[in-house]
Amino acid sequence: DAKTTQPTSMDCAEGRAANLPCNHSTISGNEYVYWYRQIHSQGPQYIIHGLKNNETNEMASLIITEDRKSSTLILPHATLRDTAVYYCIVRSANFGNEKLTFGTGTRLTIIP
Amino acid sequence: DTGVSQNPRHKITKRGQNVTFRCDPISEHNRLYWYRQTLGQGPEFLTYFQNEAQLEKSRLLSDRFSAERPKGSFSTLEIQRTEQGDSAMYLCASSSGLLQRVYGYTFGSGTRLTVV
Repeated sequence: DAKTTQPTSMDCAEGRAANLPCNHSTISGNEYVYWYRQIHSQGPQYIIHGLKNNETNEMASLIITEDRKSSTLILPHATLRDTAVYYCIVRSANFGNEKLTFGTGTRLTIIP
Repeated sequence: DTGVSQNPRHKITKRGQNVTFRCDPISEHNRLYWYRQTLGQGPEFLTYFQNEAQLEKSRLLSDRFSAERPKGSFSTLEIQRTEQGDSAMYLCASSSGLLQRVYGYTFGSGTRLTVV
């Protein structure tokens, strides 16, 4: 699976949009981009994933560049409860490829 | 509660002792995963079950580690002759093969192991 690069940490003001970037320049055609987050002392939580098109759900939006070499996770109105480590993961859709390869993620702090 | 349940939440053991952790996945999920997470790092894959079959093991899973999933329901992870380097959070996750593409994996809250 392709590697990802994320900033180590970011701050965002409460109520503003949090934009978390991820580079995955070696991504291949059948690899999806997944985002998980981990709040302190809890297990990771699935947020969203996408292949080519932009995606939106009740938690966030995922913007993938046309060349698919980078993406941005957007939390539209950040709250204090969004403070967490956010992981960008690339994983192939091949049958039998089940594991997620986590990096060190971005520590997002929401500031009151 | 229909989430993934892990027990115990915390375990302190002396070096050389054996420990066993339990994971109860979401009942309709046929896939179950174990991950390990050390301080400041992301989770690392250990092993994966589809129903009762263990289909993949990481090289991180030394011969002191064994995982089982009898009858394809709950799973146990045993560590024999614990070492201080085994201190970590052990995370369990489950998924349905069909729904995984929509909902991803569901992780439990983990078991934190401290070897003294």
